[in-house]
Amino acid sequence: AQSVSQHNHHVILSEAASLELGCNYSYGGTVNLFWYVQYPGQHLQLLLKYFSGDPLVKGIKGFEAEFIKSKFSFNLRKPSVQWSDTAEYFCAVNTGGFKTIFGAGTRLFVKA
Amino acid sequence: GAGVSQSPSNKVTEKGKDVELRCDPISGHTALYWYRQSLGQGLEFLIYFQGNSAPDKSGLPSDRFSAERTGGSVSTLTIQRTQQEDSAVYLCASSSEGARGANVLTFGAGSRLTVL
Repeated sequence: AQSVSQHNHHVILSEAASLELGCNYSYGGTVNLFWYVQYPGQHLQLLLKYFSGDPLVKGIKGFEAEFIKSKFSFNLRKPSVQWSDTAEYFCAVNTGGFKTIFGAGTRLFVKA
Repeated sequence: GAGVSQSPSNKVTEKGKDVELRCDPISGHTALYWYRQSLGQGLEFLIYFQGNSAPDKSGLPSDRFSAERTGGSVSTLTIQRTQQEDSAVYLCASSSEGARGANVLTFGAGSRLTVL
């Protein structure tokens, strides 16, 4: 069965620091990849997605992620974080049906 | 409706009681999902419904858990004989049908269940 691993459970950064959150999945076939974010007190919402084409995808609020098929990875990046990026981030994978599997999440805290 | 609605938002129950959690998806969305969010466990897939197809129940943790979706819209997740380990936030999501799994989930606010 497919699974998703997020390497960091908690990350603390200062404003303006660069961010990279790791995500690896286990599935050898075609995948759809997602990052969702949950800001404090808000619903989970889509940050960005990869379905096909350019492996470098851009999402909202300056986030981007790169799909590296050979590494089964879909890491999330942001060059300069802001205090408002404090949230929990979830990587997710879908292997072509309706079942979407999520990772355990990474809690990001950005110090002002 | 404009978004995915879940009720109740909070439920406190005693061990051994049954609980029902309700989800009203976005109008027109054919797929409906239930996930469980526990501290440190991420989002655990429970079940999904898609149109008139048989639901994928592969994530339900035990036979105490069941779910139904009536008329292709509202869904109810039922937990019988609740246990303390059932305490979690139960999230519902819906999506429209996307080709080859390219479907984005819209989540509700969740139902926080506390079993004493």
